[in-house]
Amino acid sequence: QKEVEQNSGPLSVPEGAIASLNCTYSDRGSQSFFWYRQYSGKSPELIMFIYSNGDKEDGRFTAQLNKASQYVSLLIRDSQPSDSATYLCAVPLQGAQKLVFGQGTRLTINP
Amino acid sequence: DAGVIQSPRHEVTEMGQEVTLRCKPISGHDYLFWYRQTMMRGLELLIYFNNNVPIDDSGMPEDRFSAKMPNASFSTLKIQPSEPRDSAVYFCASSFSQGVKVYEQYFGPGTRLTVT
Repeated sequence: QKEVEQNSGPLSVPEGAIASLNCTYSDRGSQSFFWYRQYSGKSPELIMFIYSNGDKEDGRFTAQLNKASQYVSLLIRDSQPSDSATYLCAVPLQGAQKLVFGQGTRLTINP
Repeated sequence: DAGVIQSPRHEVTEMGQEVTLRCKPISGHDYLFWYRQTMMRGLELLIYFNNNVPIDDSGMPEDRFSAKMPNASFSTLKIQPSEPRDSAVYFCASSFSQGVKVYEQYFGPGTRLTVT
């Protein structure tokens, strides 16, 4: 099992719908979880982080964390074409400051 | 703040040449990370520093790669000699720490390296 796994893309969602991105991780001791968005040819940009079980909402974005099941998800409501990008899940492992990134899920929002 | 600054943005070099990539982290951040991104392998951590000291270089692919951080505002990643398989986008990122909590990392714009 990889340390951080994301559902394989590409994921295609119609404009206005909810996009759901999932990520599982192997280290039960992980305490922080990050979602980055990366547009083609650009650097990863932090969009959400979550530390506690449950949901965290920021505008159209909601991060959901379930430590018992070791997964974290990102929901994008009212998807817009500008949300089309690759979304990377990142988890610090082994109590270190370094992050391990998933392979990313490419999301396409269709007008 | 200007964010993480990297130079050059693009580098094209011939196999066997030395390549030096540069990074200036966000002021006040005490962690600095070097990543490499390729289509095949995704985003890989090469090495990271805390307060200018290398903490983990287990991701450095081989002895041809070396990294330094002479002060809190500057770091270099050097490849010597370069090979075509080193072609990738190299990112520098920095973060702030407080105790054991892991904080978010902020990425620079990256250096696209092409070795012919």
